[in-house]
Amino acid sequence: EDQVTQSPEALRLQEGESSSLNCSYTVSGLRGLFWYRQDPGKGPEFLFTLYSAGEEKEKERLKATLTKKESFLHITAPKPEDSATYLCAVQARNSGAGSYQLTFGKGTKLSVIP
Amino acid sequence: KAGVTQTPRYLIKTRGQQVTLSCSPISGHRSVSWYQQTPGQGLQFLFEYFSETQRNKGNFPGRFSGRQFSNSRSEMNVSTLELGDSALYLCASSAGPGNTIYFGEGSWLTVV
Repeated sequence: EDQVTQSPEALRLQEGESSSLNCSYTVSGLRGLFWYRQDPGKGPEFLFTLYSAGEEKEKERLKATLTKKESFLHITAPKPEDSATYLCAVQARNSGAGSYQLTFGKGTKLSVIP
Repeated sequence: KAGVTQTPRYLIKTRGQQVTLSCSPISGHRSVSWYQQTPGQGLQFLFEYFSETQRNKGNFPGRFSGRQFSNSRSEMNVSTLELGDSALYLCASSAGPGNTIYFGEGSWLTVV
């Protein structure tokens, strides 16, 4: 069974204080690892897809990296507008049906204090 | 390009009733999937459709069903509603199985 564990559950940072969020996964036949950002009352907003170990993607103050067992979302000099819940999901091949469903972690709720 | 559109955004139903939620995917996307999000369980996969065929189904009771139309629009139905069905129901679309999945804003269902 595919599993995704995110840590920490919640993180409070001062504005400008860099940190990292962790996503550990267990999956057979990884197709891709996805990061999403979710604001309260809204649907998840796509950030990155990583496909293979060693891959890195960057967008503004965010950088996502991938190893064979985990992914990190690094936040550099965060601003209050970066406050949100960050979700990690893995996409694995469902060999029985050829489907590519996402298995999500519970998320990390990030609060950036001015 | 318009995103994934879900209707209605908010609704309140009584136990035992049924509900139908609608989803219009991004133009050109043929794959639609549905997820349930609750504070305790997080996001859980309900089902996935591609070209009007259900490709996969999550671990939910038979009261949860869905379908996809020839224009890729999708509906999900929950019959005999229970209090525990209160959740945010998210629809997502992609160009096809294996492509990036984009989410709509969701439909908030409250069962009283």
